[in-house]
Amino acid sequence: AQRVTQPEKLLSVFKGAPVELKCNYSYSGSPELFWYVQYSRQRLQLLLRHISRESIKGFTADLNKGETSFHLKKPFAQEEDSAMYYCALAGGADGLTFGKGTHLIIQP
Amino acid sequence: GAGVSQSPSNKVTEKGKDVELRCDPISGHTALYWYRQSLGQGLEFLIYFQGNSAPDKSGLPSDRFSAERTGGSVSTLTIQRTQQEDSAVYLCASSRDRAEDTQYFGPGTRLTVL
Repeated sequence: AQRVTQPEKLLSVFKGAPVELKCNYSYSGSPELFWYVQYSRQRLQLLLRHISRESIKGFTADLNKGETSFHLKKPFAQEEDSAMYYCALAGGADGLTFGKGTHLIIQP
Repeated sequence: GAGVSQSPSNKVTEKGKDVELRCDPISGHTALYWYRQSLGQGLEFLIYFQGNSAPDKSGLPSDRFSAERTGGSVSTLTIQRTQQEDSAVYLCASSRDRAEDTQYFGPGTRLTVL
């Protein structure tokens, strides 16, 4: 069975500090991984996906198949980055399997 | 263009009543998904439609839950004989063709069962 683990429910960092949100997955096939973000009072939206290898809003994520990880990183956090972040995996014909989410708080 | 829309935005019902939630996907998207977001459980996948058919209904929490999609567009999620544990935000998403495509989410329906 596929599984996504986000070990941190809450992560608080100061503005300007580096951010790393952890994500580990369990999947027997070749995974497609995503980070979705939900800002306060907004709908869930895609932040980035590993196959596009883009940097969105300064965030990057590298798929490490050896460690089965897809950690989300940003070198300098900004206050507007405060949100809920969900790591998700697409495998097979079903919907996405989400982690339980990490609430990121950026302190001024 | 218009995104995914859901109605109602909020629904309060009494235990034992039936409720129907509606999702209107992005025009042209063949894949449609229902998820449930609840405290402690996070985001839970319920069911996926490709066109009008749902290949796998095993994600539905119980046989009180059913979903249909007609005309390859609008979908309804029906919960019969609601229970308090059904209280959650029900999210709908659509994608162009398959699960690996970017999914676009609706604003959700917040269901409260008293």
